[in-house]
Amino acid sequence: SAVISQKPSRDICQRGTSLTIQCQVDSQVTMMFWYRQQPGQSLTLIATANQGSEATYESGFVIDKFPISRPNLTFSTLTVSNMSPEDSSIYLCSVDTGTNTEAFFGQGTRLTVV
Amino acid sequence: DAKTTQPNSMESNEEEPVHLPCNHSTISGTDYIHWYRQLPSQGPEYVIHGLTSNVNNRMASLAIAEDRKSSTLILHRATLRDAAVYYCILRGDNDMRFGAGTRLTVKP
Repeated sequence: SAVISQKPSRDICQRGTSLTIQCQVDSQVTMMFWYRQQPGQSLTLIATANQGSEATYESGFVIDKFPISRPNLTFSTLTVSNMSPEDSSIYLCSVDTGTNTEAFFGQGTRLTVV
Repeated sequence: DAKTTQPNSMESNEEEPVHLPCNHSTISGTDYIHWYRQLPSQGPEYVIHGLTSNVNNRMASLAIAEDRKSSTLILHRATLRDAAVYYCILRGDNDMRFGAGTRLTVKP
């Protein structure tokens, strides 16, 4: 199993600023995924982050807006840049070690942009 | 472009079995079928996964069609704590995209 510590758990930010969300895992994992979830909606995949390579972004998400770092096998960050109220959402990280393994999710970061 | 299709909602009575269907007609040969559930104000939690054969664990059973274009999550005896949104996901090599999910309501 894997225990994920996601920080911060929530934040209220001014528009135009940036917030970096951290995802720390207690064991080495291959894959890290970042998601966004609007209230009452499903999870939308933002990007997949593998250690040692550039993150792969889904359609509608760009690196300039959501830069991701993955410096090692236990840690990743997602930055939400130049925020607007439309970025208000819950952001979650998820990890696993392959397609045939269980994925684990952080508790999420609730972001409000004012 | 979700790859799975599920009913928006389902209801069940407590202590009765629940069959949650999922269609995934575009599944590739290497995609695993994963099920997760999400309780209010929590991150998703793993339920079960499989490739071709039916799978059982302490939480549920997963029945996979022979052509792999559909699957069914089976909760053998629903409890009130099973009320959640259930997501059927195709786990590919480099992605794990969620569909809309099924909101399960369990009535006492």
